[in-house]
Amino acid sequence: GAVVSQHPSRVICKSGTSVKIECRSLDFQATTMFWYRQFPKQSLMLMATSNEGSKATYEQGVEKDKFLINHASLTLSTLTVTSAHPEDSSFYICSARDVGGNRAYEQYFGPGTRLTVT
Amino acid sequence: GIQVEQSPPDLILQEGANSTLRCNFSDSVNNLQWFHQNPWGQLINLFYIPSGTKQNGRLSATTVATERYSLLYISSSQTTDSGVYFCAVERDAGGTSYGKLTFGQGTILTVHP
Repeated sequence: GAVVSQHPSRVICKSGTSVKIECRSLDFQATTMFWYRQFPKQSLMLMATSNEGSKATYEQGVEKDKFLINHASLTLSTLTVTSAHPEDSSFYICSARDVGGNRAYEQYFGPGTRLTVT
Repeated sequence: GIQVEQSPPDLILQEGANSTLRCNFSDSVNNLQWFHQNPWGQLINLFYIPSGTKQNGRLSATTVATERYSLLYISSSQTTDSGVYFCAVERDAGGTSYGKLTFGQGTILTVHP
């Protein structure tokens, strides 16, 4: 149980285009999902909290107009990188927690999406 | 915000050796998790351990919440244990959980045959 999927796993796009990344909880409902970013050989940094049915909350320094988050259902959150630039190239990872389970604070992570902007 | 420090940053072992990874944190927490990030980037949940001791096969973990540290023990290491080990915590905000995990910088483990 507690499986989180992401799609696509890898994407290459041209500078100036937008890219959408999907995060799904496959066997549980997640009212809250989280989006992280990881640069090569670095740790994960929280970008934003995705709340089902309401606006996402962004961490300090993260541009909300650049990284659009939509949490339209209890099993799906999407991150859209708008007008991508090479500096947006990174590994994006989502997580979710099964608040219906007996370990409500534990988070499960998706396999990540590697974005390369040329 | 809460600070998370992991040590050592790098660890090289021969297969069969034992090791201890440490995670220090600067504030009270309501969540502490240990992860193994495999070469493809997937974070694999090892332990959910805000306090106490747990064991799972060759791995075990102990969190001493009052002293703000956690230890991950790997016994009889195997080459497949290689990868990056992360500790992540959520600060205890007075009983409310916002789910915001802060990650340490990780320990890069290399196990040689």
